[in-house]
Amino acid sequence: QVQLVQSGAEVKKPGSSVKVSCKASGGNFNTFIVNWVRQAPGQGLEWMGRLIPVLDLANYTQSFQGRAAFTADKSTATFYMELRNLRSEDSAVYFCAGPTLAPIFFGLWGQGSRITVSS
Amino acid sequence: SYVLTQPPSVSVAPGKTARITCGGNNIETRSVHWYQQKPDQAPVVVIYYDRDRASGIPDRFSGSNSGNTATLTITRVEAGDEADYFCQVWDATTDHYFFGYGTKLTVL
Repeated sequence: QVQLVQSGAEVKKPGSSVKVSCKASGGNFNTFIVNWVRQAPGQGLEWMGRLIPVLDLANYTQSFQGRAAFTADKSTATFYMELRNLRSEDSAVYFCAGPTLAPIFFGLWGQGSRITVSS
Repeated sequence: SYVLTQPPSVSVAPGKTARITCGGNNIETRSVHWYQQKPDQAPVVVIYYDRDRASGIPDRFSGSNSGNTATLTITRVEAGDEADYFCQVWDATTDHYFFGYGTKLTVL
């Protein structure tokens, strides 16, 4: 069973970029599909998109197309989510998550990474 | 986009039954999954495929899906059930995942 451990909290300036990591341990890294979900303070969950490493395929929702980038480093079994041109509205907790029993829900989550965008 | 509507809050006394609804257009044609999220923690799936309980989830939790409403039911509610609950579906047409806005369950 894959376990996901994410990088820690960061404070960023508006206009800068952030790169959140999600290290996988156990299981088969190559077949794991990693999704990225964000949660703004006091708000709900928003699916940002996903990366399918075995296909080298990334999908993004319209809200993040062109500003987010999902990558993977097979040598370290680590997934990354980079978000560019940060604005205050990007302040949120970012989760990596993935399927366990089936691909249409998320049985596995990282602990979350809190990103604060502030001048 | 597929909109999932949840009540912002539900309150219930200990030992009673809580019902949290998730409304969506013809939602019965989709599989609905439910997550529990406690403060400063990641979500945890409690019900998947409308009514299947995730591993380690007590049988006090159950799910149903009919018409335009899916429902998460928690019987014999305990203080430890206090959390935010989110419903989620996958849309085959767009290959996107959608979450409800969440319901805060308060145990009185």
